[in-house]
Amino acid sequence: SQTIHQWPATLVQPVGSPLSLECTVEGTSNPNLYWYRQAAGRGLQLLFYSVGIGQISSEVPQNLSASRPQDRQFILSSKKLLLSDSGFYLCAWSEINRGITSGANVLTFGAGSRLTVL
Amino acid sequence: AQSVTQLGSHVSVSEGALVLLRCNYSSSVPPYLFWYVQYPNQGLQLLLKYTSAATLVKGINGFEAEFKKSETSFHLTKPSAHMSDAAEYFCAVSLGDDMRFGAGTRLTVKP
Repeated sequence: SQTIHQWPATLVQPVGSPLSLECTVEGTSNPNLYWYRQAAGRGLQLLFYSVGIGQISSEVPQNLSASRPQDRQFILSSKKLLLSDSGFYLCAWSEINRGITSGANVLTFGAGSRLTVL
Repeated sequence: AQSVTQLGSHVSVSEGALVLLRCNYSSSVPPYLFWYVQYPNQGLQLLLKYTSAATLVKGINGFEAEFKKSETSFHLTKPSAHMSDAAEYFCAVSLGDDMRFGAGTRLTVKP
């Protein structure tokens, strides 16, 4: 069966420090991978998604970046954190899908990483 | 681009009462629609999804949702709330490789 691992679970970082959140998926190959951010009272914001190694689509920002160095590994990074980067970060995967049913696949989420920037 | 709007950031019901969580979508073509649930400090879990096979979709834990094209809605219902239903609920829409979520509705169940 497929599993998704995300770490660290909790992180407290000072403003201006770097960030690296890692996500790996087991039990599947060539998945779609996603990073979402959940800020208090603001729902889920899609940050990045990837349909293959080295293929990253950026939805939002700014001082965050994502990389997919291996098929089942997705990394969220920042060189210098801002206070506004605090939030709950969720990694997710779905089966890659093409054709008329593209979009019908369910996302499976990791347990999340809570980042507090002080 | 597709999007969803959830009406009401907080909903409170009594145990045993009807649960109704509202979601409206915006899409240029028929979308795929989803409801997810999130318990505190956890990731999201799928409740149900609509993929055009049937307009009334049944999910886990007694939840169901009805796709109404004329109203561009996909409201989530449960006939009788249970204390364990207290959580945050997210409506989502997808057309391709990305999935867009609503702002979420926090459901409180009173004894």
